[in-house]
Amino acid sequence: RKEVEQDPGPFNVPEGATVAFNCTYSNSASQSFFWYRQDCRKEPKLLMSVYSSGNEDGRFTAQLNRASQYISLLIRDSKLSDSATYLCVVNRGGGYQKVTFGIGTKLQVIP
Amino acid sequence: ETGVTQTPRHLVMGMTNKKSLKCEQHLGHNAMYWYKQSAKKPLELMFVYNFKEQTENNSVPSRFSPECPNSSHLFLHLHTLQPEDSALYLCASSETGSNTEAFFGQGTRLTVV
Repeated sequence: RKEVEQDPGPFNVPEGATVAFNCTYSNSASQSFFWYRQDCRKEPKLLMSVYSSGNEDGRFTAQLNRASQYISLLIRDSKLSDSATYLCVVNRGGGYQKVTFGIGTKLQVIP
Repeated sequence: ETGVTQTPRHLVMGMTNKKSLKCEQHLGHNAMYWYKQSAKKPLELMFVYNFKEQTENNSVPSRFSPECPNSSHLFLHLHTLQPEDSALYLCASSETGSNTEAFFGQGTRLTVV
């Protein structure tokens, strides 16, 4: 089983739609979780951290389910500018960053 | 000035060449990383430097040789590469700690011919 698994997509959704991505991780001792966004031919950038209680940033909501070992990202009212690849990142901790990246889920928002 | 700067942005090299990738961060971080991103594969961590000391080497072939002369600079020396080494090489930096954000450079797109 891969350490971090994501559906690579692509997810093609119309503007205004709500879309959700899931990511599963295999190491139950993982300590911190993130969603990064990577635009085509650009570097990854942090979108949001994921907390046990769930967190929201505008149209974006991230949730963590430790029991089932998955994290999710919900995007409401999709915009064309949301088109990108969303990378799930899991950190095993250990005093400095030991992260594993998922393959990423590609989102294409269509006019 | 961007936080993490990589040069060159693009590099084409022959299998017998020697070249170096450079990374510089202006964020005052004490951890720096090299990642490889190939098509249809997740980012692969190659090397980690923490306070200028290499703390992780993820079974990377010896044709890749990292160097960290100080906490702001990181190099990746390349020699006798193979075509399958063609990829996007990303440098990142962060504070140490398990809940920290990594800041990436724009990457060097390497093509080995």
